[in-house]
This record gives sequence, structure tokens and C-alpha cells, in this order.
Amino acid sequence: GAGVSQSPSNKVTEKGKDVELRCDPISGHTALYWYRQRLGQGLEFLIYFQGNSAPDKSGLPSDRFSAERTGESVSTLTIQRTQQEDSAVYLCASSFRTSGAITDTQYFGPGTRLTVL
Amino acid sequence: RKEVEQDPGPFNVPEGATVAFNCTYSNSASQSFFWYRQDCRKEPKLLMSVYSSGNEDGRFTAQLNRASQYISLLIRDSKLSDSATYLCVVNPRTDSSASKIIFGSGTRLSIRP
Repeated sequence: GAGVSQSPSNKVTEKGKDVELRCDPISGHTALYWYRQRLGQGLEFLIYFQGNSAPDKSGLPSDRFSAERTGESVSTLTIQRTQQEDSAVYLCASSFRTSGAITDTQYFGPGTRLTVL
Repeated sequence: RKEVEQDPGPFNVPEGATVAFNCTYSNSASQSFFWYRQDCRKEPKLLMSVYSSGNEDGRFTAQLNRASQYISLLIRDSKLSDSATYLCVVNPRTDSSASKIIFGSGTRLSIRP
């Protein structure tokens, strides 16, 4: 079946502009995660959704970052007034659920490579 | 102390060798553990879950040591295709409504012919 998809795959923007990144999780997956990965570094947790609510926003680096999810499906990550340090690959992952004994295997999308000039 | 720590490597070993690396975690209440693999410029993919009793999948063996709070990954008879970054992943699950899976920074493995 279809995996996690993300769009755009690449985005080049100018400093100060807003960008919107999209994630389509695997159908039926209730949990959705956003991560950021800078070149040569590990994954940095940004935000997690269970259904349409975000119980954990602790990873958002500043108030320029926001995310929403609708219909327990698509999620968008918005970065306002982009800065050069926002340049990174933004990865989205989904999992079946996060409570109970399920092992919460995460399935990742291919990422959006964001470059802020 | 980081919640999840890994030796960044790189581990550079010859084809056919056995290689092992560990990952330590700080939250003793952590519930589930995984190893993911990430190829260069690709997304992470699940390699294997780590169970309390340890588990084996072909050439790969994962172990959990709760007393010392680390997990390990052993790769036997390494292949060139095993070259990748291996990410340790821990789910603290301290609150079932707000669990957050934590990724280590990864251990880079390079297999040479």
C-alpha cells in the first residue's frame, strides 16, 4: 500500500518568506510526527499528533513554527519568516497508535529538503 | 546528559567482520526500543524492534540491558550493503497521551571490501 508521502520534495526560499510543508500519513495511522534533520546530524523531534490534537509541541524551536492536522490525515508544518538556520530536511512519520502495548513502529516519508537563502 | 546517546563512529570494518555498537538511555521507565537504519540522504527505516528477551533477525541481533540502560546491535558477517547510519530509538512512554519517541544521533557504519 501507499507509504507516507511528503511535498514538496525540495523547497528553496528566501529568508523572511513563509513556507508550508505537507505530510500525507499512511491511511489509518493515528499518530503523526514531524522531525527536523540538519546535514550530518540526528533527528530533532518537533511535534507529535495523536488524531488531530497535538499533545506534545515541546520540540517546536520557536513561535515561527506551527503545525496542524485535519481529518486525522494530512498535516502541514508552517514556518513563518524563515531563517537560514531553518535549512534542513523535514521528515514526517506516522504510526498506527501510541498507547497500549503496540510497538509504535514509525514509517517515514522521504522528507522535504528546505533551503533558505 | 542526553536522553539517548550513541557513539557517532564512524565504525570502519572489513566485509565479513562482526561489529557491535551500543546505545544508552537515561529514562529507566522507557518502554520500547528500536533500531532504525538510515542510508545517506534517505529517510530512516525500521531495522528491528528490541525485546526484553533479545531478538535475532538473520545476521542482526539486538539486545536490551535494563539494569545498565542500554541496547545493543550486533551485525555478523557484515556486507557492503550494511553501510549506513544506525539510529537507536527509545520510547519513554511516561504519559500514554503524550509519548514521544526519541532518536539517538546515530552511529555511522562503513563496510570496506
